[in-house]
Amino acid sequence: EPEVTQTPSHQVTQMGQEVILHCVPISNHLYFYWYRQILGQKVEFLVSFYNNEISEKSEIFDDQFSVERPDGSNFTLKIRSTKLEDSAMYFCASTLRDSPSGANVLTFGAGSRLTVL
Amino acid sequence: DQQVKQNSPSLSVQEGRISILNCDYTNSMFDYFLWYKKYPAEGPTFLISISSIKDKNEDGRFTVFLNKSAKHLSLHIVPSQPGDSAVYFCAASEFADSWGKLQFGAGTQVVVTP
Repeated sequence: EPEVTQTPSHQVTQMGQEVILHCVPISNHLYFYWYRQILGQKVEFLVSFYNNEISEKSEIFDDQFSVERPDGSNFTLKIRSTKLEDSAMYFCASTLRDSPSGANVLTFGAGSRLTVL
Repeated sequence: DQQVKQNSPSLSVQEGRISILNCDYTNSMFDYFLWYKKYPAEGPTFLISISSIKDKNEDGRFTVFLNKSAKHLSLHIVPSQPGDSAVYFCAASEFADSWGKLQFGAGTQVVVTP
C-alpha cells in the first residue's frame, strides 16, 4: 500500500538551530500538508501546499517556518531558528483532493519527533 | 480554543468487550466527522467517518454514532481485540472545507487487555 515517508524519525537540536524535516508524499497525490502534535495536545494544522505554493497556513506557521518541494518527490518543512516550544511530533500528509470526504482520505506519515534543547 | 474534545485520555477494556470512545464538539457548523487510529511510531490512519446527514455509520467492528443536537459522537468497537490498542483521534470539519480546517481532539489511548 502506498505510504507517506518521513525522515528523520527523531531529531534533537539546540535552540536557535535550523532544522529541515523531510517527507516523500504518495506519488500521485496533489496536496501536501504539515501538522504537528505537541506532547499531550491535539494534532494541529500548520500548512498546506498545492501546485508549488502554499494554499493555506495556520497562525502557528509564522516566518520561522517555510515549506518547499525542491524536486518532484520531496516535501520539506524548515524551521529557521528553533525554539523550545517547537518540540513536537511533526506529521506530513498528502491527499488527492483538498476536501474531507469518505472517498478522499488524508494519508499521514509516521512523523518526525523534534526535540529542541 | 478547543473545538473538538475527547475528555477521556485513556480507556482500558477487556478483549471481546465493547470499547466506547466519546467526542464532543462545539462548532455547530461541523458536518463531517472522522476517527483516526494511531499506533506508536506510525502516523494516524483513517478509520471511519460520518457526515451530518446520518446518525450512524458502520464498518465491520467499528460503528460511529452522531448526535447532532448534543454535539456528540462516539466510536464503538465490538468486539475489542488486542490489535485495537492504539490512540484514537476524533476530528471534525465543515464538509466543503479543506483538510487544513480539520480540527482534532487530543486523543484517547485504548488498551485492550486479554
